[in-house]
Amino acid sequence: DTAVSQTPKYLVTQMGNDKSIKCEQNLGHDTMYWYKQDSKKFLKIMFSYNNKELIINETVPNRFSPKSPDKAHLNLHINSLELGDSAVYFCASSPRLATDTQYFGPGTRLTVL
Amino acid sequence: AQSVTQPDIHITVSEGASLELRCNYSYGATPYLFWYVQSPGQGLQLLLKYFSGDTLVQGIKGFEAEFKRSQSSFNLRKPSVHWSDAAEYFCAVRKDGAAGNKLTFGGGTRVLVKP
Repeated sequence: DTAVSQTPKYLVTQMGNDKSIKCEQNLGHDTMYWYKQDSKKFLKIMFSYNNKELIINETVPNRFSPKSPDKAHLNLHINSLELGDSAVYFCASSPRLATDTQYFGPGTRLTVL
Repeated sequence: AQSVTQPDIHITVSEGASLELRCNYSYGATPYLFWYVQSPGQGLQLLLKYFSGDTLVQGIKGFEAEFKRSQSSFNLRKPSVHWSDAAEYFCAVRKDGAAGNKLTFGGGTRVLVKP
């Protein structure tokens, strides 16, 4: 029944490692997003994809590479993790690109040691 | 560039009391406006949204918000707070026609509810 799901919920790793976070939505939406929430709870968009096509890349370091194998999935791969990458990452989806409400997943808390 | 300001970082209210959370935005035209709630350890849940029409919008969980163009505000209210309303609240705006449906969030307001 979960609309937007993310795995894992928690991720603890060492600096320099490469890790992935997966996101899946079963709502039939065309558009998916990744947001980063920092330690001060500030939320900022990172990427959006529409029908597997990248629409927004909000000046995110190229260590972050989103991948959308199909409309229902948008995974986030992070290379060479840094301390500053520690945050909660939220996936979201919306029916279409233009005007629709975004529905958020539960978040993945990434801690880089 | 558009921006969203939530002036209150923390608000403490007694259970049963009324609650008002402030949100101001900076944008030339009427944006699309949203309020989301984030309960501890949870994702964001949409409370309500304003796109056009009646400037007083009703949301879930007994919340409402009023869009005031003259003040560039979209304040969230609840007449009587329940302990379960303790959470972080985020105001967000989206520019009409914004490429990629990009949401810009305010810094959030943490609501604490006293018994």
